[in-house]
Amino acid sequence: DAKTTQPNSMESNEEEPVHLPCNHSTISGTDYIHWYRQLPSQGPEYVIHGLTSNVNNRMASLAIAEDRKSSTLILHRATLRDAAVYYCMNSGGSNYKLTFGKGTLLTVNP
Amino acid sequence: KAGVTQTPRYLIKTRGQQVTLSCSPISGHRSVSWYQQTPGQGLQFLFEYFSETQRNKGNFPGRFSGRQFSNSRSEMNVSTLELGDSALYLCASSQNGGLGDTQYFGPGTRLTVL
Repeated sequence: DAKTTQPNSMESNEEEPVHLPCNHSTISGTDYIHWYRQLPSQGPEYVIHGLTSNVNNRMASLAIAEDRKSSTLILHRATLRDAAVYYCMNSGGSNYKLTFGKGTLLTVNP
Repeated sequence: KAGVTQTPRYLIKTRGQQVTLSCSPISGHRSVSWYQQTPGQGLQFLFEYFSETQRNKGNFPGRFSGRQFSNSRSEMNVSTLELGDSALYLCASSQNGGLGDTQYFGPGTRLTVL
């Protein structure tokens, strides 16, 4: 299974940008990079995903390194509602499934 | 569209019993995946069903099983419950379960085994 590495925790101030890094050095050519987040007492929520090119949506931006061995989730202006555990993962291989790592706990200070 | 729903939301069982959890995917979604979440192990993939067939399976013992019905609704069953089975069980649906598909998660069923 493709493995991802993320910092255990990060802290940000409200209204400031947040850059959440992820290393996925064993990613294969057909693996997608997915980001989900989980708020307390809720199921994970989709944030964004991409394959090779950078992606933008209303929630965030995803910057993918040229060699695809790392990616960065960018929250342009953090709000208190963005405080959550953020998971980066790859999907691919012979079995389609999402392999979750430990994730990054993002704390947003008012 | 209504989101993924899971029933029941909370469940308390004793060791040795069995339990059945239910998941209703988003309308039109044909793939349903199940995950177990515990503080120690995090989120772990159990299995995925597509068109009533188990297509992928994680590393869990045979006590964990599931099925999918023709309307894509899915159930998972855990037999001979152990204390370590206490966890949040999450169901997620996607249109076809493809590599780039987005998975939509339900709120989970909190199972406590006493």
